[in-house]
Amino acid sequence: AQSVTQPDIHITVSEGASLELRCNYSYGATPYLFWYVQSPGQGLQLLLKYFSGDTLVQGIKGFEAEFKRSQSSFNLRKPSVHWSDAAEYFCAVGRSSGGSYIPTFGRGTSLIVHP
Amino acid sequence: ETGVTQTPRHLVMGMTNKKSLKCEQHLGHNAMYWYKQSAKKPLELMFVYNFKEQTENNSVPSRFSPECPNSSHLFLHLHTLQPEDSALYLCASSPLTGGRGNEQFFGPGTRLTVL
Repeated sequence: AQSVTQPDIHITVSEGASLELRCNYSYGATPYLFWYVQSPGQGLQLLLKYFSGDTLVQGIKGFEAEFKRSQSSFNLRKPSVHWSDAAEYFCAVGRSSGGSYIPTFGRGTSLIVHP
Repeated sequence: ETGVTQTPRHLVMGMTNKKSLKCEQHLGHNAMYWYKQSAKKPLELMFVYNFKEQTENNSVPSRFSPECPNSSHLFLHLHTLQPEDSALYLCASSPLTGGRGNEQFFGPGTRLTVL
C-alpha cells in the first residue's frame, strides 16, 4: 500500500528566507505526487503535482518541488517565504481509482513564518 | 457560486441528534469524496462516489451515512455520533476524464463538535 512520510511536524522560518519541506513516499509503481496547502479555516488547495516528465515541477505561489526516484522523495521548496505562506502543507501520493487518482496524504507540516 | 461549497461551516450536536452535512460542487465534476480531518492525524478518506455510485467505503461506521443524489451534490447524514467523531469534514470533487491530471478540489470543510 502507498504511504507518505512528512518527517517535520513544524518548520519555522523567517520571512524572506528559503524553505524546503520534506516528503518521502512509498509506492510500488510510478508515483503520482501532489503538494497541497491548507490555510486556517480553509480546505486544501493544490500547489503542484508530478506525473511524469521533468522532475522539477513548478507550482502556484512561487513553489516548486523536485521528484527524486532514487531517494523516494518529493521535497517542496520556495526561495523566499512570505508571511502569507504560513499554513499547513500536505504531501500526497495518488493511487488509481476509476478515472481519478485519489491521494493518500501525509500528516502535514505546519509552517510558521517569523517577521 | 463557484468551486466546492459546504454547509454548515460549523456544527455542534449531541450524541443523540441527527444532522446532515451538505456539499455542492459547481465544477462539472463526476467524482465526489468525503474526508475526515482530525488533529494530529492524516486526512482519512471516508467515501468515494463516481457518477453518483459509491465506489469506496473505507470501513466507516454506520452512524455516518452518505448520499449522492446527483453528480453535483453530496450529503453526509449523521446519527448517534460519538465525541471522537469531532473533526473537520472535508468534501472534494474531481473530474473523471481518464487522464492523469485529475486533481481533487476541496471545499472549506464543516467543523463538527459532538458533545
